[in-house]
Amino acid sequence: SYELTQPPSVSVSPGQTARITCSGDALPKKYAYWYQQKSGQAPVLVIYEDSKRPSGIPERFSGSSSGTMATLTISGAQVEDEADYYCYSKDSSGNRWVFGGGTKLTVL
Amino acid sequence: EVQLVESGGGLVQPGGSLRLSCAASGFTFSSHWMHWVRQAPGKGLVWVSHISTDGGSTSYADSVKGRFTISRDNAKNTLYLQMNSLRAEDTAVYYCARDNWGLIPWGQGTLVTVSS
Repeated sequence: SYELTQPPSVSVSPGQTARITCSGDALPKKYAYWYQQKSGQAPVLVIYEDSKRPSGIPERFSGSSSGTMATLTISGAQVEDEADYYCYSKDSSGNRWVFGGGTKLTVL
Repeated sequence: EVQLVESGGGLVQPGGSLRLSCAASGFTFSSHWMHWVRQAPGKGLVWVSHISTDGGSTSYADSVKGRFTISRDNAKNTLYLQMNSLRAEDTAVYYCARDNWGLIPWGQGTLVTVSS
């Protein structure tokens, strides 16, 4: 079955840039989406269609995709950005969705 | 305000059944595909199923195909997940979510525990 691969953890100091990657064979043809999940809360969409930001999401969140890798970038990460981040995309058939394993972002 | 509220979770024995509901409000329910996503305790998100606006198209993760059935009642603004032949590994918080160029918003989730 199709898989999206993320690093288990990323750590940065406040104000630094955090980059979280997601690799998958179908990403050259399928959009990537990114969700933020803080402890005990439901996930929140932070990036859709590779690089678009929903209303209300801070400008420091951005996304990009090239080849088989999508990247979520948090420019000037803040302590409040500590959370688990999940990438999400369709498989090559286009009929099923898959989440990456998640990346725990630590900002301290 | 767009809102999704799940219900129907609880404790069920292995092999048992449960039906989850997701009540939608604040938007035109019949215009959106809908999804179920689950999260086992301490684990990551797993996509479970989705359904088209009129219910005519559905898809399932391999882990639940043949055991779970997604459906919707557009007159009642409600999404359902019928879960049969439940296994211990189905224990999770189950979220419903609206598809609107990404899953937005999500409900608060309902906990399903499969245990004897």
